[in-house]
Amino acid sequence: DTGVSQDPRHKITKRGQNVTFRCDPISEHNRLYWYRQTLGQGPEFLTYFQNEAQLEKSRLLSDRFSAERPKGSFSTLEIQRTEQGDSAMYLCASSFTLALYNEQFFGPGTRLTVL
Amino acid sequence: ELKVEQNPLFLSMQEGKNYTIYCNYSTTSDRLYWYRQDPGKSLESLFVLLSNGAVKQEGRLMASLDTKARLSTLHITAAVHDLSATYFCAVLRDDKIIFGKGTRLHILP
Repeated sequence: DTGVSQDPRHKITKRGQNVTFRCDPISEHNRLYWYRQTLGQGPEFLTYFQNEAQLEKSRLLSDRFSAERPKGSFSTLEIQRTEQGDSAMYLCASSFTLALYNEQFFGPGTRLTVL
Repeated sequence: ELKVEQNPLFLSMQEGKNYTIYCNYSTTSDRLYWYRQDPGKSLESLFVLLSNGAVKQEGRLMASLDTKARLSTLHITAAVHDLSATYFCAVLRDDKIIFGKGTRLHILP
């Protein structure tokens, strides 16, 4: 399968712990996006990369959140000192800027539960 | 700030009926998307609409775009139970996708 993959698929943690999620984009996609989706809502943009450069961060992304894409391939999203409000589905998407529609393809998501 | 509003947010309908989901957005956008999401799953792309008057159809679903009215519609023809899901309208603005809250569609047998 050559789609976007995310790991882990589910994560349960206690409040105050740190968690890290990984996203592997579609091969050769130069852009990678992170979104967060809470129950009953649409996904909300968090941040995105073009190659290894982080181009934009949402105001939703507090100082406890950090994302990296060190070699322009996979990306990690780390949440420090998790809070119950961080419980959500974290979605990763990738795109290729030169493609016809520059369409974003979404991964299966990582569901985070903070107890 | 770009806002995307969907109407209705919840729809329960009988199999075999037709219905339309509406999507309004507040400022100009480069393109409009419709996605489907099943419970606990990720997003499946249904349609990408680029220009005014664009219409795309796939099976029982048809999407249209009126950029002047900043309105898109997703029309369901002769609904079947398999179409039960949440449908999101989204627009592209400055390389980011802005989503509506979604329409939860429940089709009764």
